[in-house]
Amino acid sequence: SQKIEQNSEALNIQEGKTATLTCNYTNYSPAYLQWYRQDPGRGPVFLLLIRENEKEKRKERLKVTFDTTLKQSLFHITASQPADSATYLCARDNYGQNFVFGPGTRLSVLP
Amino acid sequence: GAGVSQSPSNKVTEKGKDVELRCDPISGHTALYWYRQSLGQGLEFLIYFQGNSAPDKSGLPSDRFSAERTGGSVSTLTIQRTQQEDSAVYLCASSVTTSGGNEQFFGPGTRLTVL
Repeated sequence: SQKIEQNSEALNIQEGKTATLTCNYTNYSPAYLQWYRQDPGRGPVFLLLIRENEKEKRKERLKVTFDTTLKQSLFHITASQPADSATYLCARDNYGQNFVFGPGTRLSVLP
Repeated sequence: GAGVSQSPSNKVTEKGKDVELRCDPISGHTALYWYRQSLGQGLEFLIYFQGNSAPDKSGLPSDRFSAERTGGSVSTLTIQRTQQEDSAVYLCASSVTTSGGNEQFFGPGTRLTVL
């Protein structure tokens, strides 16, 4: 079965630093990897997606990479702020099918 | 326009009762997903409606769970003879197309508590 692992259950960093979250997948590379943010008591909100043939994608302070050799995606938040504190979810998207979410990493940005 | 809505927002039921959870996706969205999220856990895929094609039911945990999507719009998730382990937040999401590479828009979820 296709699995998604996010290697840190929780991550604490200091405000202003870069947060780096890791997502690893098993078996074949999905067509896309997607990243979502989830705040307590709310549904996830989409942040970024990256295609299998893309190495890197950026959006404002966010950057996502996709390494098919390592079967890994890295999610970076630069100049982190306390408002970035949330749970971040990685998901594999194989053309809409077999959509699998990882367990999430709870990020806390300390002032 | 309106986002994905779900009702009820909270449901408390007794073990053995049946429950129906409703999802109103964004108008025009072809794909609709149901997930379950237990406390402190990730999202567990339940079922995927992909336009006019047969739904992917591979994530439904038992035959007590069923779902339908009428007219390509509203979806209902039904849990029969509820058990305490069914307690969780049930999330619905919709997406523009079924081809992948599109963001999923999530509803606020229904928190189900089985006593």
